[in-house]
Amino acid sequence: GQNIDQPTEMTATEGAIVQINCTYQTSGFNGLFWYQQHAGEAPTFLSYNVLDGLEEKGRFSSFLSRSKGYSYLLLKELQMKDSASYLCAVTDSNYQLIWGAGTKLIIKP
Amino acid sequence: ETGVTQTPRHLVMGMTNKKSLKCEQHLGHNAMYWYKQSAKKPLELMFVYNFKEQTENNSVPSRFSPECPNSSHLFLHLHTLQPEDSALYLCASSQDHVRGAQETQYFGPGTRLLVL
Repeated sequence: GQNIDQPTEMTATEGAIVQINCTYQTSGFNGLFWYQQHAGEAPTFLSYNVLDGLEEKGRFSSFLSRSKGYSYLLLKELQMKDSASYLCAVTDSNYQLIWGAGTKLIIKP
Repeated sequence: ETGVTQTPRHLVMGMTNKKSLKCEQHLGHNAMYWYKQSAKKPLELMFVYNFKEQTENNSVPSRFSPECPNSSHLFLHLHTLQPEDSALYLCASSQDHVRGAQETQYFGPGTRLLVL
């Protein structure tokens, strides 16, 4: 079956760095997304990786290793507003989007 | 402002009621999606419409009935629901479903549904 694994919950301190991991087992691969979802709000797009390597976008970076079936989202200089759930999703060979259950990130002062 | 709106934001209904969820996108997209989001579970894709035609129905019970009158509007008609149907129902849109799984999807804020 197809599966996306990410930690259920993580806690980090304001100003610090946190890495949220995502591993996937899918039938083929056509890209990986990260979305952010604040409680009670819509998921919003953060990043898209289709080639191996690191994509940097301000305080957020996303890394992909296709051979390892692995990605991570790196958040630097954490702010209280970064408290949210982070969803990992993979496009498989049939162009179906497979979603992880999300990682709830709690930022403490 | 995501450009995708959903109404109502909250809905409580009994198992014998009939209600409808509405979604509207102002982005000029051609594909629209209904998802179910339950606590600590992955998003579940329910229905996909591409250019007003339903292209996917992921084994959703018939008590959920979608309607897409045009590319900007999407409805989800509900009847005789069960308590386990309580969840957040999210609408999303993308430019095109054929490439949609490689494109950013824009989500609405969702309807929080409680079935008593």
